[in-house]
Amino acid sequence: DTGVSQDPRHKITKRGQNVTFRCDPISEHNRLYWYRQTLGQGPEFLTYFQNEAQLEKSRLLSDRFSAERPKGSFSTLEIQRTEQGDSAMYLCASSLVPIMNTEAFFGQGTRLTVV
Amino acid sequence: RKEVEQDPGPFNVPEGATVAFNCTYSNSASQSFFWYRQDCRKEPKLLMSVYSSGNEDGRFTAQLNRASQYISLLIRDSKLSDSATYLCVVNVAGPLVFGKGTRLSVIA
Repeated sequence: DTGVSQDPRHKITKRGQNVTFRCDPISEHNRLYWYRQTLGQGPEFLTYFQNEAQLEKSRLLSDRFSAERPKGSFSTLEIQRTEQGDSAMYLCASSLVPIMNTEAFFGQGTRLTVV
Repeated sequence: RKEVEQDPGPFNVPEGATVAFNCTYSNSASQSFFWYRQDCRKEPKLLMSVYSSGNEDGRFTAQLNRASQYISLLIRDSKLSDSATYLCVVNVAGPLVFGKGTRLSVIA
């Protein structure tokens, strides 16, 4: 499979627990993005990496959220002390830059439900 | 003002109709523009890139007006399979910024 893969696809957790999601981008892609999407909204940017460097974090990303991309390959997104408001679809995407008008390819997402 | 604004719809159109979606963006330094399509409970997928000269792909035509900071998508001869949410996407040398999406329902 040469697409972006995310694991797990679904996660149900109790409020206050920590969760970690993994994203494996397309192998030659140097840029990796994390987005969050709730019902009826477009994907909201959380953070992105160029190789292993985290270049930008959204103000949406509170200090409970942390993301890493060791060695510039796969990435993890951890949410500590989950809250019900964290329930959403977490989408990962990758792209190859600098190529103008290069599209980002999305994984199928991890659906998080905090109960 | 939101970075990328779209009419959320829904647009309910009969098969065979022509429908147009509009999108405005706030950052004049935006460099790349796209339309993505998202089916219910699926990930977004690229429909088409939007070039300054405008571009067409079969029944789909995208236009960009940099002066007005406006992007459009025209769908001709709508099919039932076109029912989806259409996301306007803008890139400013960093992350892609998405609009909230416009929902289209094509009705038999």
